[in-house]
Amino acid sequence: DQQVKQNSPSLSVQEGRISILNCDYTNSMFDYFLWYKKYPAEGPTFLISISSIKDKNEDGRFTVFLNKSAKHLSLHIVPSQPGDSAVYFCAARGTGANSKLTFGKGITLSVRP
Amino acid sequence: EPEVTQTPSHQVTQMGQEVILRCVPISNHLYFYWYRQILGQKVEFLVSFYNNEISEKSEIFDDQFSVERPDGSNFTLKIRSTKLEDSAMYFCASANREGNSPLHFGNGTRLTVT
Repeated sequence: DQQVKQNSPSLSVQEGRISILNCDYTNSMFDYFLWYKKYPAEGPTFLISISSIKDKNEDGRFTVFLNKSAKHLSLHIVPSQPGDSAVYFCAARGTGANSKLTFGKGITLSVRP
Repeated sequence: EPEVTQTPSHQVTQMGQEVILRCVPISNHLYFYWYRQILGQKVEFLVSFYNNEISEKSEIFDDQFSVERPDGSNFTLKIRSTKLEDSAMYFCASANREGNSPLHFGNGTRLTVT
């Protein structure tokens, strides 16, 4: 039951270029979406979020876009830096019975110097 | 910056033994969670806890699992009789409110059941 899907397991980009990480969801009750970054041997670190009333949220080099009709969100990192190399998880939650955070499988981002 | 702390970082136990994983959530947070990640798989929800009771639990969280907030700072996950398939990273998380509030995770406890 993959309610949150990250279909690409990995992405490699050149330092300075844009990284675009994609995420799709199936549960229309989700109304809050988050991106987490995870280094080996550490827990997920919150990066940026967006609620369903918005279609874009920006924080420094990180921007999250939400397309509700397509049930799709993406994380843009620009410019990408080698320190951004990590596993990125998309997560979503709703209210009531859907209030737990549901994670995707993650995307491994490698930023080449 | 305040953080969620988990102990131990690594726990090795024999099948059938009881383990207690410990967490100290961020001090002003009211909502507490346990997640786990089996090697190579995604992060899975186990249980949420608020106001001294379980708010929600997954099908993974069966009678072998229990949670407790024994005092004002600790939040524990107990597995009564561990199985090989309980081997995973267990992450504690906390949030200061429900709704549009991110969860903050600890660095996890790696549980190895032999």
